[in-house]
Amino acid sequence: AQSVTQLDSQVPVFEEAPVELRCNYSSSVSVYLFWYVQYPNQGLQLLLKYLSGSTLVESINGFEAEFNKSQTSFHLRKPSVHISDTAEYFCAVSEVHTGNQFYFGTGTSLTVIP
Amino acid sequence: KAGVTQTPRYLIKTRGQQVTLSCSPISGHRSVSWYQQTPGQGLQFLFEYFSETQRNKGNFPGRFSGRQFSNSRSEMNVSTLELGDSALYLCASSLLSYEENIQYFGAGTRLSVL
Repeated sequence: AQSVTQLDSQVPVFEEAPVELRCNYSSSVSVYLFWYVQYPNQGLQLLLKYLSGSTLVESINGFEAEFNKSQTSFHLRKPSVHISDTAEYFCAVSEVHTGNQFYFGTGTSLTVIP
Repeated sequence: KAGVTQTPRYLIKTRGQQVTLSCSPISGHRSVSWYQQTPGQGLQFLFEYFSETQRNKGNFPGRFSGRQFSNSRSEMNVSTLELGDSALYLCASSLLSYEENIQYFGAGTRLSVL
């Protein structure tokens, strides 16, 4: 089974500062990688995904993540955060060709301070 | 296209009762997964159904069960409720193709056990 580690459970950051949320996974096989965002009292929304191709993927609201196979990482970054980015962020992994079971990290709570 | 719909949004039950939660996936999606989300535990995988068959199962007691109907709608049942079953229960549906192995989440059902 996969193991997904989000080392930082809480990340406070000032508005307009850069942020990086870290995600590492355990698998040595081919994987799909995802970041989901959850706002209070809501379900999870897909933020961005890596399925294949370019290792740098971007979202429409300025987040980006880079797939690093050698380090089995998929860190999420944003150069300048906004108050509206305050939310819980989850990293998820699924293994290619083995069905639809997703493995989630425990989440990182990002708090943007005015 | 309508998203994943979970009903009800909120439930209050007492210990020992049973509860049934419902999930309607995105049209055309045949895979439905269920997760339990609690503070500090993150998302824990309950089970996944595909074409009315349970394909994957997480590490939960037999009190947690589910089923999927021919129209892909799914229900989750928890019998003999315990205080620790209080959580947000999330349902996710997927098209389940190699080109788009993405899970789309509903808003969840928040269950409180008193």
